[in-house]
Order: sequence, then structure tokens, then C-alpha cells
Amino acid sequence: DTGVSQNPRHKITKRGQNVTFRCDPISEHNRLYWYRQTLGQGPEFLTYFQNEAQLEKSRLLSDRFSAERPKGSFSTLEIQRTEQGDSAMYLCASSPRSRSNEQFFGPGTRLTVL
Amino acid sequence: GQQLNQSPQSMFIQEGEDVSMNCTSSSIFNTWLWYKQEPGEGPVLLIALYKAGELTSNGRLTAQFGITRKDSFLNISASIPSDVGIYFCAGPMNRDDKIIFGKGTRLHILP
Repeated sequence: DTGVSQNPRHKITKRGQNVTFRCDPISEHNRLYWYRQTLGQGPEFLTYFQNEAQLEKSRLLSDRFSAERPKGSFSTLEIQRTEQGDSAMYLCASSPRSRSNEQFFGPGTRLTVL
Repeated sequence: GQQLNQSPQSMFIQEGEDVSMNCTSSSIFNTWLWYKQEPGEGPVLLIALYKAGELTSNGRLTAQFGITRKDSFLNISASIPSDVGIYFCAGPMNRDDKIIFGKGTRLHILP
């Protein structure tokens, strides 16, 4: 399967703990995006990378959130000191250089903060 | 800020019926995207539209880029049970690649 993969698929954590999610994009895609989706809503943009450079961060991305893409391949999204309001589906997407608007999504990581 | 408004919010139809849904914006979009999402999965890109007036098909799905560039339509012909899901319209904000999504149209198919 050469699609976008995300791990873990589900994460349950206690409030105050740190969590880290991983995204492996489609190999030839240079752009990688993180979104958050809550129940009844469409995905909301968090941040994106072009190769290893983080080009944009949403106001939704508080100081407790950090994303990296050190070698321009996989990316990690870390949430420190989780809060119950962080409970959501975290989606990763990637897109090719030639058609950067056509973003292909992974299956997501469902985070539940107790 | 830019918002995408989708209607209807949900639809209950009989198998075999045709489906129409739309998406409107107060701002002009240069690209319209239609995604489908099933429970527990990420959205899947169905159709991408790049020109005003463009009509593009993907199997039983047909989408159109409105002439005003402020709306788009998605039609599904002869619906089948596997069409159940949430259909999102989306488009890039301004000239960058941040995609904004509508809230979705939930399609339910009655047996």
C-alpha cells in the first residue's frame, strides 16, 4: 500500500501526558499537512511542510503543539500536557509538487484525552 | 474569514436515487475539491476542479465548478449502499495551499 499512513490509529491518554503521532506520506510527495477534525466538522488546517521546512502554522496550533519533518519524509506531531479539548482525529495529508492542492489523506489518529 | 457552506447537511435517500449537493462561498475559489469520508477513516479525494464552468466525472459522480467561482455542485447518480458517508467540499485559501473544508453533507441510504 503506497498511501499515507499514520500511527498509532488510536491513542488514549490521561490529561497532562505528552503524545506523539507519526505520519508517513506518499513517497514522492514533497508537501505534508496536519489537520484536526472534531465530531461534526470538516478537517481544520494545523500546519504544513514543504520538504523539511515548516511553512505555515494555524492559530489553532498552540504552544503545546509541535510538528517536525526532519528529513523531509515522515513527520511527527507532538502534543505536550494534553487537555481534554485536544481530543479529536488528527489527520495527515500529502500532496505532489505538480498538483499541490490535491491532498491525499491518511486514516488519521484518534486521540482521546481522559 | 473564508467559509464554505454545504447543503444539505444530511440526506436520506432510497437506493437507486440520484443525489445532488452543493457548496457555496462568499469568496472566489480557484480550485474546488470534493472528498468523501467514511467512519474512522480519512477523507478520500473524489474530484478536483480547476476551471470555472468545468464539469468533471468520476464514475457515477459528477462535479461542476460554478461559473461565479463561488460555488460547486456534486451529483451522484443511481446511489448504492457504499455511497454512504460524509461528502466534503474544500478549496485552497487565497493563493496558498491551506485547504479549508465545509462541514459536510451526510448521505444516508435507506434499504
